[in-house]
Amino acid sequence: GENVEQHPSTLSVQEGDSAVIKCTYSDSASNYFPWYKQELGKGPQLIIDIRSNVGEKKDQRIAVTLNKTAKHFSLHITETQPEDSAVYFCAASYASGGNTGKLIFGQGTTLQVKP
Amino acid sequence: GAGVSQSPSNKVTEKGKDVELRCDPISGHTALYWYRQRLGQGLEFLIYFQGNSAPDKSGLPSDRFSAERTGESVSTLTIQRTQQEDSAVYLCASKRGANNEQFFGPGTRLTVL
Repeated sequence: GENVEQHPSTLSVQEGDSAVIKCTYSDSASNYFPWYKQELGKGPQLIIDIRSNVGEKKDQRIAVTLNKTAKHFSLHITETQPEDSAVYFCAASYASGGNTGKLIFGQGTTLQVKP
Repeated sequence: GAGVSQSPSNKVTEKGKDVELRCDPISGHTALYWYRQRLGQGLEFLIYFQGNSAPDKSGLPSDRFSAERTGESVSTLTIQRTQQEDSAVYLCASKRGANNEQFFGPGTRLTVL
């Protein structure tokens, strides 16, 4: 089955710096890769996602890159702000008409942005 | 509009007791998922519903765990004879049909003493 590895487990940056979180996946059939942000005591919230027919996607300060050959994808946050502090999870899924679309998650990265 | 809701938000129980956790998905979302999140860990898939059927139960850890969904809406996750290792946050997510985004509820924190 699918396995997702995420690094680093913790990341501390100064406000205004960039943060990068990396994930690798094992199942080459996976075609959907979302990133979730989880704040304390809350459920995960989708912040950006990418499908396997695209190599990069941007949304303001957030970008995700996908390398299908190497089976890895990364989250890039630029100009970090204290409110970006949270736990970030990557996930992989094989989404098609007859498939469950269940998400396989990485272990999470705790991002701390110091003011 | 209303998001995914779960109840209770916290549940403390004694080892050996049964518990029921409830999920109310977003109206119109045909797909519903349950995940478990142990302290400091990622989310583990438990079960998937499409409508009221559960075509994928592969993540349920033992036969003490079961779930049902009725009216293509509310779902209940039941854990029988709870054990301390069942302590975790149980999260529910729903999505509309083929759209890939899963929307998560706030979770139920289960503590088994």
